[in-house]
Amino acid sequence: GDSVTQMEGPVTLSEEAFLTINCTYTATGYPSLFWYVQYPGEGLQLLLKATKADDKGSNKGFEATYRKETTSFHLEKGSVQVSDSAVYFCALRESNYQLIWGAGTKLIIKP
Amino acid sequence: EAQVTQNPRYLITVTGKKLTVTCSQNMNHEYMSWYRQDPGLGLRQIYYSMNVEVTDKGDVPEGYKVSRKEKRNFPLILESPSPNQTSLYFCASSSGGPKNQPQHFGDGTRLSIL
Repeated sequence: GDSVTQMEGPVTLSEEAFLTINCTYTATGYPSLFWYVQYPGEGLQLLLKATKADDKGSNKGFEATYRKETTSFHLEKGSVQVSDSAVYFCALRESNYQLIWGAGTKLIIKP
Repeated sequence: EAQVTQNPRYLITVTGKKLTVTCSQNMNHEYMSWYRQDPGLGLRQIYYSMNVEVTDKGDVPEGYKVSRKEKRNFPLILESPSPNQTSLYFCASSSGGPKNQPQHFGDGTRLSIL
């Protein structure tokens, strides 16, 4: 069945560092891909999405490119801030309503 | 404002005392879902509903019930809560149709079963 694999956390970086959180997936068809973010004490919010191969989703300085050849959707940001500290979830959706979730990656940014 | 509303946000209760966590969405979404989130285990789906009167088990349905009598509401019922149901619970909704539609989440309900 479909699955999503994320790099294990926590990921600890200094402010202004470059961020990559890896996400790879397995799917039978052509899913849409999502990154969600969960700030401390809050629910999950959609961060960005991509719906077909080579699409790039972007929001709040974060980017991720849908790579069909490597079945990946890595999250990147050029210069992280303390306020980016959160848990990040990668997810995919095939033709039905269901979202398949990665386990989440906790990001800690130190000043 | 489009939102998913869960109540209560926090609850501490005792083993065996029935409780209900309500979830309501104002976006006319067909699909609604309950998840629990536990440290190291990510999000696990409890139950979901594709539309009114249509519900299905997710990955961890044991000990829970749901109902979908109206499109906007999807309550989660714990008939006889146990300590292993202590967790953070999220309700989510999304529209049907294209697979590029994201899920919208409530703010979460933190349950502690003593």
